Amino acid sequence: AQTVTQSQPEMSVQEAETVTLSCTYDTSESDYYLFWYKQPPSRQMILVIRQEAYKQQNATENRFSVNFQKAAKSFSLKISDSQLGDAAMYFCAYGGNYGQNFVFGPGTRLSVLP
Amino acid sequence: DTGVSQNPRHKITKRGQNVTFRCDPISEHNRLYWYRQTLGQGPEFLTYFQNEAQLEKSRLLSDRFSAERPKGSFSTLEIQRTEQGDSAMYLCASSPPPALSGSSYNEQFFGPGTRLTVL
Repeated sequence: AQTVTQSQPEMSVQEAETVTLSCTYDTSESDYYLFWYKQPPSRQMILVIRQEAYKQQNATENRFSVNFQKAAKSFSLKISDSQLGDAAMYFCAYGGNYGQNFVFGPGTRLSVLP
Repeated sequence: DTGVSQNPRHKITKRGQNVTFRCDPISEHNRLYWYRQTLGQGPEFLTYFQNEAQLEKSRLLSDRFSAERPKGSFSTLEIQRTEQGDSAMYLCASSPPPALSGSSYNEQFFGPGTRLTVL
């Protein structure tokens, strides 16, 4: 069975600074997808960034980028120029190649300090 | 289209009662997922439909839980004989078919959830 681990229950960052959230996973599959989702307080979960395992190039979405290390089964999220609106729970998630075996990590609560 | 909707948003019930939740996905989304999320935890996968077919069920989905998607559109999740341990947020998500997005795996769009409290 696939597992996703986030070892940082809480993180904080100063506004405009950069922060990196860690995620490791375990799978025996070779093709899969990895995701970072953001869940603001009392609001809906939204996708931040997605990485296809067969792509060596790290995904980037504006201020958000990932460091995907397939051999190490590591998938960290870097948030640059942090903004107050980035404060939320961040979940790392694994998905099988056809939508199956979707697994979320326990989450990291990010606080952004003004 | 306003996104994935879930009803009710909150449900309080007594132990032993049955409850049913509804999820309306984004139109043309053929995949629909149910998750359970307890306070401070990540969502746990419960089940997944592609059109009307239930393709995967988690071991978390005990015999008291049943989900349907009769016409491949909205879905219902029923919990029979509720227990206090069923108290959680139940999340629904949908995703479009690859033909609409050009990808074999697509972003899941989440609803606001139904918060269940079992007294």
